Amino acid sequence: GAGVSQSPSNKVTEKGKDVELRCDPISGHTALYWYRQSLGQGLEFLIYFQGNSAPDKSGLPSDRFSAERTGGSVSTLTIQRTQQEDSAVYLCASSSGTHQETQYFGPGTRLLVL
Amino acid sequence: AQSVTQPDIHITVSEGASLELRCNYSYGATPYLFWYVQSPGQGLQLLLKYFSGDTLVQGIKGFEAEFKRSQSSFNLRKPSVHWSDAAEYFCAVGAGTGRRALTFGSGTRLQVQP
Repeated sequence: GAGVSQSPSNKVTEKGKDVELRCDPISGHTALYWYRQSLGQGLEFLIYFQGNSAPDKSGLPSDRFSAERTGGSVSTLTIQRTQQEDSAVYLCASSSGTHQETQYFGPGTRLLVL
Repeated sequence: AQSVTQPDIHITVSEGASLELRCNYSYGATPYLFWYVQSPGQGLQLLLKYFSGDTLVQGIKGFEAEFKRSQSSFNLRKPSVHWSDAAEYFCAVGAGTGRRALTFGSGTRLQVQP
């Protein structure tokens, strides 16, 4: 079946602009995660959605970052007033949400802030 | 808080040689452990996982890993490396309850010489 998909694959933006990154999880997966992969920080957790529960936002680095998940499926990560340090690969993962779960990752969105 | 250490940043092996990538974790309870592989420009692909039971787990592409609780380790092994195994390898630890986000090591880049 289809895996996790993300769009766009690449995004170049100017400092100060807002960007939206999209994630389509595997059908039926109730849990969705966003991670960031950057040269200096490695792979970092950003935010986690599980069903209708309140999201775990503990990994968001600043209030410029936000995410939503509509209808328990597609998620959008929004970065407002982008900064050069936001340049990274943003990875989305989904899982079944059951007890012993495996996270399946999408190909990522490469964000470059000029 | 959980943490993962991959002490080898970069490893070079000859094609056909055996491989062992080291991973040490810190976690208060029995961890969920994963190895992922990332090829250039790609997302993360799951190689194998350990949740419980047999401490030697088999994965895809001929990889295996052994969970050693006494050493807090989960090393990845392959008896004979192929050129196509050149990639970056990430060890990750997850919690069974509560926060479900994975904590990743910094990765080991594998180079394969002909």
